[in-house]
Amino acid sequence: GQSLEQPSEVTAVEGAIVQINCTYQTSGFYGLSWYQQHDGGAPTFLSYNALDGLEETGRFSSFLSRSDSYGYLLLQELQMKDSASYFCAPWRDDKIIFGKGTRLHILP
Amino acid sequence: GAVVSQHPSWVICKSGTSVKIECRSLDFQATTMFWYRQFPKQSLMLMATSNEGSKATYEQGVEKDKFLINHASLTLSTLTVTSAHPEDSSFYICSARTVVLNEKLFFGSGTQLSVL
Repeated sequence: GQSLEQPSEVTAVEGAIVQINCTYQTSGFYGLSWYQQHDGGAPTFLSYNALDGLEETGRFSSFLSRSDSYGYLLLQELQMKDSASYFCAPWRDDKIIFGKGTRLHILP
Repeated sequence: GAVVSQHPSWVICKSGTSVKIECRSLDFQATTMFWYRQFPKQSLMLMATSNEGSKATYEQGVEKDKFLINHASLTLSTLTVTSAHPEDSSFYICSARTVVLNEKLFFGSGTQLSVL
């Protein structure tokens, strides 16, 4: 079958580091993307991992382990503007499927 | 960066009418466009995938006669909600895929549809 799991909510303090985990089970998998969406807004691309390992883009990093069907998004030096929903999104069969999203709350 | 324009941003219509939503890639050619539906505080549910010049591929459970998708050019895809009913009220959002940045989707700003 197909499944996609990520925490529904995470709370962290401004300036801290937070990790959002994602586990997936899907046929035809070939890469994992992460998207950010603010309330009322459109999703924006954060990262894409096709190979195992860590990809770093500024304050955001994403990790993939294909053998474990697992990935995570790491956000460092959290800012209030990072309060948003974060979607784990695996690519399979030439299309992308979004998880239920993790709502990140940042406390001052 | 690549820009995707989606119109209208919101629409209110009477039950039984049809509504057309446009999705345009402004500064690039989109090989593929995806249409999603999103309920408040929920995930994006993929409705269909459209490729220029060919019929859209609908996800299981999505009525293709209800949600008509046309992808007439490499820069324009349209979604028409036919004979809309209140249960069709939702946030509809499109995304486009380019040839070069294949795994990076660019999203439109979405259309909030309210059917009375």
